Amino acid sequence: NAGVTQTPKFQVLKTGQSMTLQCAQDMNHNSMYWYRQDPGMGLRLIYYSASEGTTDKGEVPNGYNVSRLNKREFSLRLESAAPSQTSVYFCASSEGLETQYFGPGTRLLVL
Amino acid sequence: GNSVTQMEGPVTLSEEAFLTINCTYTATGYPSLFWYVQYPGEGLQLLLKATKADDKGSNKGFEATYRKETTSFHLEKGSVQVSDSAVYFCALIRWEGKLIFGQGTELSVKP
Repeated sequence: NAGVTQTPKFQVLKTGQSMTLQCAQDMNHNSMYWYRQDPGMGLRLIYYSASEGTTDKGEVPNGYNVSRLNKREFSLRLESAAPSQTSVYFCASSEGLETQYFGPGTRLLVL
Repeated sequence: GNSVTQMEGPVTLSEEAFLTINCTYTATGYPSLFWYVQYPGEGLQLLLKATKADDKGSNKGFEATYRKETTSFHLEKGSVQVSDSAVYFCALIRWEGKLIFGQGTELSVKP
């Protein structure tokens, strides 16, 4: 039982490049989330998916897209990376309003 | 709107000292409240939670009581250890499952 897994662990991009962050959970949860963590700002919700086939914007969705590929997987895509997207990205999953379980994070540096 | 405010860090304590990390919230209704902990280089993990007014959440010697009158959920521990060094996040959950986090408080415990 791996919980929530994320790949890659660390990535360096140049401005304008694109990439996809992958997330998978093996807890059969319906809800999945993407957050970004920046110093002094806690975690902010980028997008979430309440169930397979649905996605909704969170607090800071600009510059990102998501895909809920199936119940297990929820990916986050940066189409044209900007230095302002340098951050640590966390994926999480939950069953409704129950506890959210977090992955280990992806550190992204955009030069 | 909903928001969470935590005391500023970093907090530095000696081993066996008493810990308090203040957390206050603004919300419509009475959302569930959480404390998450992030150890260095890891993702967030749930430390404790409380789902209604006057509930006390507890885990690993940490406690927090849901105070409706003061809209607070302060984290306390009677005797901290070096292994408690981490960043602590207070959070509330909205009706649709979105977590709203405080900015985090870094705790450093010295031997």
